[in-house]
Amino acid sequence: DTAVSQTPKYLVTQMGNDKSIKCEQNLGHDTMYWYKQDSKKFLKIMFSYNNKELIINETVPNRFSPKSPDKAHLNLHINSLELGDSAVYFCASSPGTGAYEQYFGPGTRLTVT
Amino acid sequence: GNSVTQMEGPVTLSEEAFLTINCTYTATGYPSLFWYVQYPGEGLQLLLKATKADDKGSNKGFEATYRKETTSFHLEKGSVQVSDSAVYFCALSSQGGSEKLVFGKGTKLTVNP
Repeated sequence: DTAVSQTPKYLVTQMGNDKSIKCEQNLGHDTMYWYKQDSKKFLKIMFSYNNKELIINETVPNRFSPKSPDKAHLNLHINSLELGDSAVYFCASSPGTGAYEQYFGPGTRLTVT
Repeated sequence: GNSVTQMEGPVTLSEEAFLTINCTYTATGYPSLFWYVQYPGEGLQLLLKATKADDKGSNKGFEATYRKETTSFHLEKGSVQVSDSAVYFCALSSQGGSEKLVFGKGTKLTVNP
């Protein structure tokens, strides 16, 4: 059983398109996150939701819009894709908003051409 | 703000060599400290953690001790294996703040037979 799953694993698209990445966790966790990992492996948090409520929104262009239909799912929609959006996007979850371990999904490699 | 500095890689070792990856942090209060590992093509997995000063985290032969006086959390392993080849990330999670994980830039380790 996969704890944190993401779809798709790979996404290749052209500049200007709109795309979505989906994330689901079956751990019963309350908190979910989106991270972006650039080509140099640097990881930066983008968003965090706790019980479907947005609690962290880093300085991310508003072309990126997270949506949490329930606490087991956190999707990421990206409008008007740009070349600089090419990266690996990781979803993660944790039991709560304290200093807990986070469980990561396998990542979605987005390539914008 | 909170930050993590870890040694730049890449690090290349022969099998059975001793490994140290340095990590220092800047944080207010009393953060929890983590080492995550990312194997090729996969998401991050928690390797070990420590939640208070002088705690030692250990797993799979890896160890790290939370040193408040030197604000450090260096990762060590006495005898590395080829299967330890991966990217290692030091991270901290602050209490009472936004509870987000702040990562170091990652250190790529390659172990040769």
